[in-house]
Amino acid sequence: KAGVTQTPRYLIKTRGQQVTLSCSPISGHRSVSWYQQTPGQGLQFLFEYFSETQRNKGNFPGRFSGRQFSNSRSEMNVSTLELGDSALYLCASSLQGENTEAFFGQGTRLTVV
Amino acid sequence: GENVEQHPSTLSVQEGDSAVIKCTYSDSASNYFPWYKQELGKRPQLIIDIRSNVGEKKDQRIAVTLNKTAKHFSLHITETQPEDSAVYFCAASRPSNLFFGTGTRLTVIP
Repeated sequence: KAGVTQTPRYLIKTRGQQVTLSCSPISGHRSVSWYQQTPGQGLQFLFEYFSETQRNKGNFPGRFSGRQFSNSRSEMNVSTLELGDSALYLCASSLQGENTEAFFGQGTRLTVV
Repeated sequence: GENVEQHPSTLSVQEGDSAVIKCTYSDSASNYFPWYKQELGKRPQLIIDIRSNVGEKKDQRIAVTLNKTAKHFSLHITETQPEDSAVYFCAASRPSNLFFGTGTRLTVIP
């Protein structure tokens, strides 16, 4: 069974640009969550999608948005990039999202210059 | 929302000794508590989890304890080995949200 796949693995963008990250969950998993990982801040929850609906959202500005497609693949978009958005963005998939194991992708390393 | 605090942020132990990492959470509605291990440059991977109806769970050298009344849970690693060196994250879950602690960097000294 293929694991969670994130593309691209690395991105370099300039301030003010926008970026779209992609996450393909494990087959059969309907929940996809996104996290931002920075040194010293750990993993911070961005949002969670289940069956194409955003079920939960963390405390991030509206520049961070996402969506989920009918095949459970998810995309995350960040508009008007800031230097502070540089981070490793991880997505995780799980069967239902509720109290079940979350499987992480390798992450997308975003650098904003 | 949920707030998870994790201590210590760094921990060094001699090979063969035990390591203990502690976490507290704020939301009494949280009912699932996983622990993830992240090796350098790799993705976080689940090593053990516990649900709120259980006080303790063990898997070989790893154990987790949960005190719901005090809202804290701990990871215990016995007979540590160099390959246990990694960053460990605790998390508390309200349904469909995982809130993570800030991580503990464990170094096992051979």
